[in-house]
Amino acid sequence: DVKVTQSSRYLVKRTGEKVFLECVQDMDHENMFWYRQDPGLGLRLIYFSYDVKMKEKGDIPEGYSVSREKKERFSLILESASTNQTSMYLCASSTPAPYGYTFGSGTRLTVV
Amino acid sequence: AQKVTQAQTEISVVEKEDVTLDCVYETRDTTYYLFWYKQPPSGELVFLIRRNSFDEQNEISGRYSWNFQKSTSSFNFTITASQVVDSAVYFCALSEETSGSRLTFGEGTQLTVNP
Repeated sequence: DVKVTQSSRYLVKRTGEKVFLECVQDMDHENMFWYRQDPGLGLRLIYFSYDVKMKEKGDIPEGYSVSREKKERFSLILESASTNQTSMYLCASSTPAPYGYTFGSGTRLTVV
Repeated sequence: AQKVTQAQTEISVVEKEDVTLDCVYETRDTTYYLFWYKQPPSGELVFLIRRNSFDEQNEISGRYSWNFQKSTSSFNFTITASQVVDSAVYFCALSEETSGSRLTFGEGTQLTVNP
């Protein structure tokens, strides 16, 4: 069964900590994405990548960075976590057009 | 810039009622794709449908149907004879050809189906 796996379902971190959210896909997809989900705002794109070592800013990249050293793994990094980064984070991967997307189960991050 | 609007934040119905979830989109591209996803309480987004901009045929899949109208930039989703298991957050999303495969999501509609 093909899938996207996010390493943690729930995470609690302290303000100022460096936080790593890991995402691994087993479908050999070129494209990978990190979204943030907040009530009333839907999902907003943080960063995406179309290839290894390649990254592009999405709509809300401030306070985040990413790493894609291998095709199957896309990491989201919060350099210095803040309380306004408390949210649900969703990773996704896709094929090129016509875009078969697969989402992970999400990581609910709480920054205290 | 692409934009998706789901004006209905929450909808509550009684089982067996029909319900329509609205989705309005904005895009300058002539080639684009529209999606609907379901997010049950477990959190994982479940793909429901993808339509491209050149195919305005309405689609039916069991109790689900979709009405795509380019003239009004709408892609509405109807559940017929709703069931408690349909309770979830539903997202409409848009991908423009010129934006690569990135998705722009609407705000989501929380559907609650009561027994």
